[in-house]
Parts: sequence; structure tokens; C-alpha cells
Amino acid sequence: NAGVMQNPRHLVRRRGQEARLRCSPMKGHSHVYWYRQLPEEGLKFMVYLQKENIIDESGMPKERFSAEFPKEGPSILRIQQVVRGDSAAYFCASSPLPGGLSTEAFFGQGTRLTVV
Amino acid sequence: DAKTTQPNSMESNEEEPVHLPCNHSTISGTDYIHWYRQLPSQGPEYVIHGLTSNVNNRMASLAIAEDRKSSTLILHRATLRDAAVYYCIRGGSQGNLIFGKGTKLSVKP
Repeated sequence: NAGVMQNPRHLVRRRGQEARLRCSPMKGHSHVYWYRQLPEEGLKFMVYLQKENIIDESGMPKERFSAEFPKEGPSILRIQQVVRGDSAAYFCASSPLPGGLSTEAFFGQGTRLTVV
Repeated sequence: DAKTTQPNSMESNEEEPVHLPCNHSTISGTDYIHWYRQLPSQGPEYVIHGLTSNVNNRMASLAIAEDRKSSTLILHRATLRDAAVYYCIRGGSQGNLIFGKGTKLSVKP
């Protein structure tokens, strides 16, 4: 059973371009979480999805950011019109049940986005 | 709001036990306590979690105070590979994990 797969591992975008980050959860996991981590800082929650539904998006910036977790395929975090401040590591996690309850969440290795 | 309080950093000597404290004084009766750690340049890794009773696994032990307002992660014999940032997390009712700043553990040979 492969772990949580994120791709690409590194992504470079010019200001104004779009960034698409993909996350394939572990097999059988229907709960997906996205986090952002700036250098030397902790992980900041962005969004929590459960197949085709957004459960909690309280950490998502109001503009330019969106996330989806379709019935088939990976979860996608999409950043439109990227700016330098979007440069960060983006981590995805998955769990078979809500991760804050009686289960563990598994994290991917992250996508490091650099905006030039 | 992480709603947990941890020391910013701690140091340990290799092969000695490490006790990492966490305060969660506003925890509700149904909130689980989770610990994750993050090694440099890697994604967070699950360590342990519990609700009321002390818990043990191959990585660590979790001691939860009787009033559940605090807990302690215990690494029985620290190794150099245990150097990481350790996060104490209250599991939210929506099923989410909200990370705080964590404790940066340094292990000296």
C-alpha cells in the first residue's frame, strides 16, 4: 500500500501563472487535508475534504485558491495568478476516518512551490 | 487556533529519555490528543494519540493527566534520528488537525 503521493515534488512558476498541486491519498482513505508551511514556520491548515465535499475550508485564502477531491482521481489544490508570497511547501494528508478523531493521518512528502 | 501550548525547544542527550510536555487546558471530553513529528525537509509523521488512558507504541509513550489538561510525550531512548519538531494537537470535532508551533527537539551525541 503506497503512502500519500504528492506531485510534483518541486514546482517553479512565474508570477501570474497557475499552480496545480496533486495529492493521491492512501488506498481506502476518503479524507484529505491540505496544509501550507512557510520556511521556519509551522503547518497552517488550509482545507479538509471528503470525497466530492469540502468539509472545512476555513484556512483557505478567499481569492485565487481552490481545492477539490473528485470521485475519481487525486485531490487538486489550485492556485491561480501566483504571487511571490505563495512560495511555500504544501503538504497533503489522508486518513480513513476524520483525522482529528481516533485515527492517524498520513502525510505526503510535500510540494515545494517557488514563485519567481 | 491550535489551543495547545508547548515549549519552543528542548535538548536531550542521545540514549537518554525525553519528556515533551503539552498543555491543553481547554480540551473537551471528546477531543483526542495527537502527537506528530516533522523531520527536516519531510512531511509530518504520526507518533501517537490517545483520549484518556496512557498509550504505548513502538515509537513512544503518551502520558495523559487525569484531568486531561496536559499530556507528555515520552521518548524512552532518544537517538539522533529523533531530532525533529514535535507537535501536540487537539483533534477537533470536525475531524481536523490544527497544528501549533511545536517543540524543536535537539539530540546531542
